[in-house]
Amino acid sequence: QVQLVQSGAEVRKPGASVKVSCKASGYTFTTYGLSWVRQAPGQGLEWMGWIDPYNGNTYYVQKFQGRVTMTTDTSTGTAYMELRSLRSDDTAEYYCARGGGGWHQDVWGKGTTVTVSS
Amino acid sequence: EIVLTQSPGTLSLSPGEGATLSCRASQSVTNACQSVGNACLAWYQQRPGQAPRLLIYGASSRAAGFPDRFSGSGSGTDFTLTISRLEPEDFAVYYCQQYASSPPTFGQGTKLEIK
Repeated sequence: QVQLVQSGAEVRKPGASVKVSCKASGYTFTTYGLSWVRQAPGQGLEWMGWIDPYNGNTYYVQKFQGRVTMTTDTSTGTAYMELRSLRSDDTAEYYCARGGGGWHQDVWGKGTTVTVSS
Repeated sequence: EIVLTQSPGTLSLSPGEGATLSCRASQSVTNACQSVGNACLAWYQQRPGQAPRLLIYGASSRAAGFPDRFSGSGSGTDFTLTISRLEPEDFAVYYCQQYASSPPTFGQGTKLEIK
C-alpha cells in the first residue's frame, strides 16, 4: 500500500539546522509532488512548500524562503526537508504528504517531532 | 493568499446527531482551480495524536475509507462538510484547505467534541 515513512524525532538548539526524511513506497515516486506541512503544538496546519520529484522543482512559502530546502533522492524514493537557523517557534510536528501545489494531499506520513530548545 | 475561515470553532454534539461544518474563502476557489468545473477545496480529519487524513477533495468527492455519512458541498467561496449520524470515532478536528491558488492554505479548524 502507499506509505510515507518519516524519520524520528529531533531536538536542536536555536540557530541549528534539522533535516527530516520521508521515504515513499507503494507508488511511482516521480509521479506525484511531495508537500511538507507543519503543526505547532496545539495549533493548526501550516503548508510549507512542495517539491516535484520528477524534475526537482520546488515552491516554498515566502515565510520559509531562505531557511528551507526540499530535495529528493529518486534512487531511494526519499524526500528531505532541511530547515536552518531554527528558532523556538519552529518547534512543531512536521509532516510530509503526497500531492504538490495545485493538488490535495491524499497520503500523509505520521509526522516528525522537531523540538528547538536551548 | 486565500484566507479560509471555518465555523464554528468548536461544535459539541452527541453520537447519533448530525453535524454541519462551514468553510468560507476570501476569494473563489472554483474560478482559479486547474480542475475545470470543480473547486479546489479539501477537508481533512485529524484525530488526537494522529496525522491529518484526507476526507473530501474537489469539494464533494469522498476519499477512500470514509463512509457515505460524510459529504461535502459548496462552490465559489462557501463550502460545507456534513456528517450524519455521528459515530464516536468522528469526534476530531476538521480542517478545510484550498489548493486553487499558491500557496495552499488551511482553515483554522473546527473541533467536533462529544457533548
